[in-house]
Amino acid sequence: AQTVTQSQPEMSVQEAETVTLSCTYDTSESDYYLFWYKQPPSRQMILVIRQEAYKQQNATENRFSVNFQKAAKSFSLKISDSQLGDAAMYFCASPAGTYKYIFGTGTRLKVLA
Amino acid sequence: KAGVTQTPRYLIKTRGQQVTLSCSPISGHRSVSWYQQTPGQGLQFLFEYFSETQRNKGNFPGRFSGRQFSNSRSEMNVSTLELGDSALYLCASSLAFPDTQYFGPGTRLTVL
Repeated sequence: AQTVTQSQPEMSVQEAETVTLSCTYDTSESDYYLFWYKQPPSRQMILVIRQEAYKQQNATENRFSVNFQKAAKSFSLKISDSQLGDAAMYFCASPAGTYKYIFGTGTRLKVLA
Repeated sequence: KAGVTQTPRYLIKTRGQQVTLSCSPISGHRSVSWYQQTPGQGLQFLFEYFSETQRNKGNFPGRFSGRQFSNSRSEMNVSTLELGDSALYLCASSLAFPDTQYFGPGTRLTVL
């Protein structure tokens, strides 16, 4: 079965510091996208960043960047200059067959003032 | 562009009843996926629709069904509700798989 693993149930970071959330995936797709989503207490899932697997360059969106290691099937999210508003659950997602994505179990990020 | 909308936002039902949830995708998006989110099971894929056709279905009992209309709006139905169906039901739309999915705010279903 195709899987997505987030091995860190909870992480803490000091405001203005940098934190990295881990994700490994196992997909048999040859061409795919990977995603990180953020779910704050409001429960709205918000897209953080997308990585196209055929691109070697790591995706970056402002303070958010990924470290994509295709051979290792690793897709970690780095948040720089952490802000209080970054506190949320973070989910990574990977394709799992046709017309279906699966999500990791999530990492709860706490930002300490 | 307006985002994905879901109605109702909150629902309280009793066991044995049925419920219908609605999702309106972003304009121009033709793929709609549904997920169930619970504290114990996380985000579980329910089904995906594209151009009124269900293209994939998750591992849920037949009590869970859905459909998509010609305007890409989608509904999901749960019949004979059980306590374990209490969850946040999320709808996501995209232009087409495997493009980026954008999520609605969810419908919180409580079964008493």
